[in-house]
Amino acid sequence: KQEVTQIPAALSVPEGENLVLNCSFTDSAIYNLQWFRQDPGKGLTSLLLIQSSQREQTSGRLNASLDKSSGRSTLYIAASQPGDSATYLCAVTMNAGGTSYGKLTFGQGTILTVHP
Amino acid sequence: EAQVTQNPRYLITVTGKKLTVTCSQNMNHEYMSWYRQDPGLGLRQIYYSMNVEVTDKGDVPEGYKVSRKEKRNFPLILESPSPNQTSLYFCASSRERSLYNEQFFGPGTRLTVL
Repeated sequence: KQEVTQIPAALSVPEGENLVLNCSFTDSAIYNLQWFRQDPGKGLTSLLLIQSSQREQTSGRLNASLDKSSGRSTLYIAASQPGDSATYLCAVTMNAGGTSYGKLTFGQGTILTVHP
Repeated sequence: EAQVTQNPRYLITVTGKKLTVTCSQNMNHEYMSWYRQDPGLGLRQIYYSMNVEVTDKGDVPEGYKVSRKEKRNFPLILESPSPNQTSLYFCASSRERSLYNEQFFGPGTRLTVL
């Protein structure tokens, strides 16, 4: 059974710092990995999607890497801002014969606070 | 605008009173699913649907029903809600057979069962 773990559970940093959020998964047979952002009381916003054949994806100040063989992904946030404060979730989709059944297995999330 | 919508956004009900949470997507996605989010347990899949008239159980299906009569809609039905179904519910959709099957989530429905 796939298990996804995110470390740290919470992180507080001053504005302007670069930071790294970690995600690990137990079964490396994934189809893709997706990073989401969740604001309090709100839905999930997709940030980055990395296919199993890719090593990294970038969007603006965000960079996500994937090391499938070791079961790890990192989300790098450059020059953090107070508006980045949210819960960050990583989730994996399992590979099933080359197609995806679509089920996301989520980590518990990292609560990020960026203070001015 | 491409989106997943859910209604209602907030609902307070009593034990045993049947309710339906609607989910609709306008992206012509084949795959739709329901998740619930609980403190300490994270997000867990309830049911999913690969296409019209094709549904299957996720990790926590007990006490829920779904139907997929049209491609755009995937309602979640609680026939006899109980307090342990108090949770935050999310509907999601994606294009199943695609190299880039990014999942899109609705805004969530906060359900309280008294």
